[in-house]
Amino acid sequence: GAGVSQSPRYKVAKRGQDVALRCDPISGHVSLFWYQQALGQGPEFLTYFQNEAQLDKSGLPSDRFFAERPEGSVSTLKIQRTQQEDSAVYLCASSSRLAGYNEQFFGPGTRLTVL
Amino acid sequence: AQKVTQAQTEISVVEKEDVTLDCVYETRDTTYYLFWYKQPPSGELVFLIRRNSFDEQNEISGRYSWNFQKSTSSFNFTITASQVVDSAVYFCALSEGTGANNLFFGTGTRLTVIP
Repeated sequence: GAGVSQSPRYKVAKRGQDVALRCDPISGHVSLFWYQQALGQGPEFLTYFQNEAQLDKSGLPSDRFFAERPEGSVSTLKIQRTQQEDSAVYLCASSSRLAGYNEQFFGPGTRLTVL
Repeated sequence: AQKVTQAQTEISVVEKEDVTLDCVYETRDTTYYLFWYKQPPSGELVFLIRRNSFDEQNEISGRYSWNFQKSTSSFNFTITASQVVDSAVYFCALSEGTGANNLFFGTGTRLTVIP
């Protein structure tokens, strides 16, 4: 497809379960971002990749959150031992170059609900 | 520290009215970028505009216009002759010129256009 895709679109997890969220960026896009959007709030930055290198993970809320992009394309955000406060929409965005100079294209998000 | 403030939480207008969405930002960087994104009920963030800190020229695109004023640290967005399809949450965002260039979002303004 032409845009950023994310899967699954919806995920329900029991507290304590591990989840993995997938992002397929636009082909050829160098930069990839993960954001967390709580209900009624703006997206908040989690982490940033340039190709396969994770250059910034300052926004990850705890060590239960882990992201990877091993081949510089698809990225996975993993949350271990999910908690209720992890319930949110997780957005992935990609950009063709350094994001400050180019707009980020967002995927539809994965809505995670932790029971 | 960077910050984006959208003081208007919700706005309702009658179709064909003009409406202005306010955005005030804070940053210590001299090079930065400002963005507006639209988030319709489907949830996907749609890019509307990017401005850099060195270009204060206002911009018009169809029914949309943007007023960037560095003196007041504001980047306001006006929709002329609003339509029902404009109903969405609108986010203002800031990207600083250094670091990961991730986006800092405001809390959004929910616009409802009443037919």
